[in-house]
Amino acid sequence: EAGVTQFPSHSVIEKGQTVTLRCDPISGHDNLYWYRRVMGKEIKFLLHFVKESKQDESGMPNNRFLAERTGGTYSTLKVQPAELEDSGVYFCASSEFERAGYTFGSGTRLTVV
Amino acid sequence: AQSVTQPDIHITVSEGASLELRCNYSYGATPYLFWYVQSPGQGLQLLLKYFSGDTLVQGIKGFEAEFKRSQSSFNLRKPSVHWGDAAEYFCAVGGSQGNLIFGKGTKLSVKP
Repeated sequence: EAGVTQFPSHSVIEKGQTVTLRCDPISGHDNLYWYRRVMGKEIKFLLHFVKESKQDESGMPNNRFLAERTGGTYSTLKVQPAELEDSGVYFCASSEFERAGYTFGSGTRLTVV
Repeated sequence: AQSVTQPDIHITVSEGASLELRCNYSYGATPYLFWYVQSPGQGLQLLLKYFSGDTLVQGIKGFEAEFKRSQSSFNLRKPSVHWGDAAEYFCAVGGSQGNLIFGKGTKLSVKP
């Protein structure tokens, strides 16, 4: 079984540019989560999809972040325009059921310069 | 508010020594508890989880954790640490909305 795949693994962009991160969950997992770890801080929840619907987006920091999940399959997280404080590692996780075991991807390390 | 505290930011142990990583949580209902490990350059790997039942949980790589409701703790243990265990360890509690609430992590270094 393929795991959760995220790409790119690293991205370096300039402040003001746009970046799109992608997550491919495990096939059949309806639940998809995005998390972020800013340097030195804890991993924080951003949002939760159930299939293509946003179940909870209470952790999204501001309206520069836009997440989508087309057809309930892969998900994208777009940051536009990027700011310096957006730097960090963005993790995606998926699970078959809510509150079940979550499988995480390797993360995307985003650096905004 | 739901929260997780990992009081130790960095721990160094000698190879072959025992290990205990501390985790305390704050959660109003019966918690779902997790330990994850992140090795350098890798993603988060689930070590073990507690949902209900036996309070001593066995995980992968020889790790175990004990849920103590009276102390709001879920400490991770391993009887003999290997150099390959050097990594960052995260304790998490399952939130009411299905998301995870993480502690700040404990970085483990292993001395030869």
